[in-house]
Amino acid sequence: QVELVQSGAEVKKPGASVKVSCKASGYSFTTYPVHWVRQAPGQGFEWMGIINPTDGSTSYARQHQGRVNMTRDTSTATLYMELSSLKSDDTAVYYCVRRNIFRGVLTSYFFDFWGQGTLVTVSS
Amino acid sequence: DIRMTQSPSSLSASVGDSVTITCRASLTISTYLNWYQQKPGKAPRLLIYAVSTLQSGVPSRFTGSGSGSEFTLTISSLQPEDFGTYYCQQTFSTLYTFGQGTKLEIK
Repeated sequence: QVELVQSGAEVKKPGASVKVSCKASGYSFTTYPVHWVRQAPGQGFEWMGIINPTDGSTSYARQHQGRVNMTRDTSTATLYMELSSLKSDDTAVYYCVRRNIFRGVLTSYFFDFWGQGTLVTVSS
Repeated sequence: DIRMTQSPSSLSASVGDSVTITCRASLTISTYLNWYQQKPGKAPRLLIYAVSTLQSGVPSRFTGSGSGSEFTLTISSLQPEDFGTYYCQQTFSTLYTFGQGTKLEIK
């Protein structure tokens, strides 16, 4: 069965960096792009970026460019999201999600499998 | 960025009721519209993709409809396990965006 298993909760000080991992299993790792989204406490979702596991190419949300770096290790089917220069409003649950596509009369991209989430707390 | 606006922001209904949640996009998004359910402390669960296609394992009481920029999620014959927050999502643009959520409480 498809699983995305993320690393555990982190507590960081402002200005530090955090690296969250996401280990994929149960499917062909290089077939599906993976996105990262975050959810601040009691809030909705914010898209952060996408990585193509095939070649490692990435695209990031404008507001995070320069601070976020997404990578992957094909030998272990693991993806990573590193966020630097942390601020208090980076406190959130970070999710890795697999993107699938449906093409037919109706077409859409969608997130069919989610990691369990990693809480990152930024506090002095 | 495409803005997604859901209404209502919260609602309360009884078991057996039918409820409808509306999602409006700030631009036409074709059929790139999905719905998710999230329960407290859990990752979201995909319910419906491409406006109206039910994800495997999702009960048939969930239905999606709409076109262009206005979409609806209807839950008929509400069950106790349907509580949670529901989010719409557009994937028409590269920067995927979500609605702010609709919190459903079962009376």
